[in-house]
Amino acid sequence: DIQMTQSPSSLSASVGDRLTITCRASQSISSFLNWYQQKPGKAPKLLIYGASTLHYRVPSRFSGSGSGTDFTLTISSLQPEDFATYYCQQSHSTPWTFGQGTKVEIK
Amino acid sequence: QVQLQESGPGLVKPSETLSLTCTVSGASISGYYWSWIRQPPGKGLEWIASIYNSGSTKYNPSLKSRVTISVDTSKNHLSLKLSSVTAADTAVYYCAREGLYDDYSWFDPWGQGTLVIVSS
Repeated sequence: DIQMTQSPSSLSASVGDRLTITCRASQSISSFLNWYQQKPGKAPKLLIYGASTLHYRVPSRFSGSGSGTDFTLTISSLQPEDFATYYCQQSHSTPWTFGQGTKVEIK
Repeated sequence: QVQLQESGPGLVKPSETLSLTCTVSGASISGYYWSWIRQPPGKGLEWIASIYNSGSTKYNPSLKSRVTISVDTSKNHLSLKLSSVTAADTAVYYCAREGLYDDYSWFDPWGQGTLVIVSS
């Protein structure tokens, strides 16, 4: 199985901050990397697929980059609705696997 | 707009079989892979299995021996059965569609999820 490791596991930030979350795969997954946002009590929502393609209706302040084993999710200017937990997921090979999540909290 | 709704018992006894249904509305279940994903309380996400309407399936090896996934195109729904459950199977269970473009795939949309507690 491909292990996905996110860092940090949690962080505190303020509205307007620029935020970067990192996801590392245990082996090369090319660009087969997705990002999701999950709010408490809700299902995850797709933000980015193929490492850098923004899903429709996702604000442009979200961006993704990387290939191979190292990936990043960046929020250029954190908004109040962005406080949530973020997960990466590899779609290179089954079993599909997720990172452990990064919880973004209000400072 | 595609919507997914999970349903099933919220409480299952240890050693019994968990059975869930996901009803799809707003789109045909044909032509896509559909998946089950679970999330233990306060923990991360675990992919369980996926099925195509033709019956092609993909399973997480860690659960494969206990999982049955099926699709009913006439009812536009998919089902999950997980046998010999233990407390470790307590989780919110989600169904989701696997989107596909070129070779890229992703989970979207998701159902709202249903909490299943395994307890006597």
